[in-house]
Amino acid sequence: KQEVTQIPAALSVPEGENLVLNCSFTDSAIYNLQWFRQDPGKGLTSLLLIQSSQREQTSGRLNASLDKSSGRSTLYIAASQPGDSATYLCAVRGSQGNLIFGKGTKLSVKP
Amino acid sequence: NAGVMQNPRHLVRRRGQEARLRCSPMKGHSHVYWYRQLPEEGLKFMVYLQKENIIDESGMPKERFSAEFPKEGPSILRIQQVVRGDSAAYFCASSPSGQGATEAFFGQGTRLTVV
Repeated sequence: KQEVTQIPAALSVPEGENLVLNCSFTDSAIYNLQWFRQDPGKGLTSLLLIQSSQREQTSGRLNASLDKSSGRSTLYIAASQPGDSATYLCAVRGSQGNLIFGKGTKLSVKP
Repeated sequence: NAGVMQNPRHLVRRRGQEARLRCSPMKGHSHVYWYRQLPEEGLKFMVYLQKENIIDESGMPKERFSAEFPKEGPSILRIQQVVRGDSAAYFCASSPSGQGATEAFFGQGTRLTVV
C-alpha cells in the first residue's frame, strides 16, 4: 500500500529565503508525482507535474525534483514571498490511477 | 475552458438528511476522482469513476455513500442519512485519462456541515 510522507509538517521562514519541502513515498512504481498548493478554505492548485521518467521540472521560482528509485521528491522555492504562504501537498499516481496524498507542509513566509 | 466545477460550495444538512455533491469535470476529461479532507488532515481518496463506470471505490465507506458519473451530466457524490462525522471538505478532480502522463485538476470543493 502506497504511503506518502511530507516533512516538515510546518515551516516558517523570513521573506527572501530559499527553502526546500520534502516528500517521500514507499512504492516506487508510480506514473507521476504532482505538487499542489492549497490556500485556507480553497481548492488545490496544481504547481508542477513530474513524470516517472523525468528528474525535475521548473516553473518560475519553483523547482521540483524526483528520485523514483529512492522514493523521494523535493520542491524548491527560491526567494520566498509572503504570497507563497499556503499548504503544499505532494501526491503520487500509481497503477491504480488515483492520486495518493501526503498530509502537506504548511508554509508561512514572514514579511 | 472552465476548470473543474463543484457545487454547492457550502452545504448544511441536519443529521439524517441526504447530501448531494456535484462535480462537472473539465471539458474533455472523462475521469473523475472524489476526495475527502478533514480539518488538519490530508486528502483521503474515496472513489475513482469513468463515464458510467466505477473504477475504484476502495476508499468509500461501505454504507451511506455512493457515487455515479452518468453519460450525461455531472458526477454525483451522495451521502445518505448524514452524521456529524461526515462534516468535511469534499474535493473532486478530473483528468483526461486515468494512467500515465496525465495531470489532475481539482475543483474548489464542497464544504459539508452536518448540524
